[in-house]
Amino acid sequence: TQLLEQSPQFLSIQEGENLTVYCNSSSVFSSLQWYRQEPGEGPVLLVTVVTGGEVKKLKRLTFQFGDARKDSSLHITAAQPGDTGLYLCAGGSQGNLIFGKGTKLSVKP
Amino acid sequence: DTAVSQTPKYLVTQMGNDKSIKCEQNLGHDTMYWYKQDSKKFLKIMFSYNNKELIINETVPNRFSPKSPDKAHLNLHINSLELGDSAVYFCASSHGSRSGNTIYFGEGSWLTVV
Repeated sequence: TQLLEQSPQFLSIQEGENLTVYCNSSSVFSSLQWYRQEPGEGPVLLVTVVTGGEVKKLKRLTFQFGDARKDSSLHITAAQPGDTGLYLCAGGSQGNLIFGKGTKLSVKP
Repeated sequence: DTAVSQTPKYLVTQMGNDKSIKCEQNLGHDTMYWYKQDSKKFLKIMFSYNNKELIINETVPNRFSPKSPDKAHLNLHINSLELGDSAVYFCASSHGSRSGNTIYFGEGSWLTVV
């Protein structure tokens, strides 16, 4: 069974701090996606990475796909209260998308 | 305009009842999904339909029956509801069924079984 482990499970920081959340698996994925889910809403896609070692930037967010395509990280620079939410990674394999359990981020002003 | 809309948003019902959740997408996508998110926020796929054909059917009780009358609709019917069915159910859609495609989620339907 393919599993995606996300860490930390919870993260509470002050505005302006930097942070990194991780998504790890023992399985290889053909692609990996990061979603953000706000309370009362469905997940919204932030990025898709498909190549081992790939780095993508989205404003203050930097996403990296591991060389072996088994893990990924999300780094946020100078976090803002608007970054608060549940960050989910999802790995693609054989037409299926498997989600991690998420990192719940709280950024306090 | 809402891309993926599902109704109802909130549903409280008694054990043993039968209920349906409706979903519609106006994105022109050919693939639709139902996901279940439990109280610990774990999101797990239940079903996937491509062009009205079932392509993914994860291990869910057969009390759950999806129905896709056309490519824009995927409804979820649940028979004999149990306490453990309480969760948030998300409908979603994508263009194509490849795992790297962008999946667009609805806002969720909060089901509480009492």
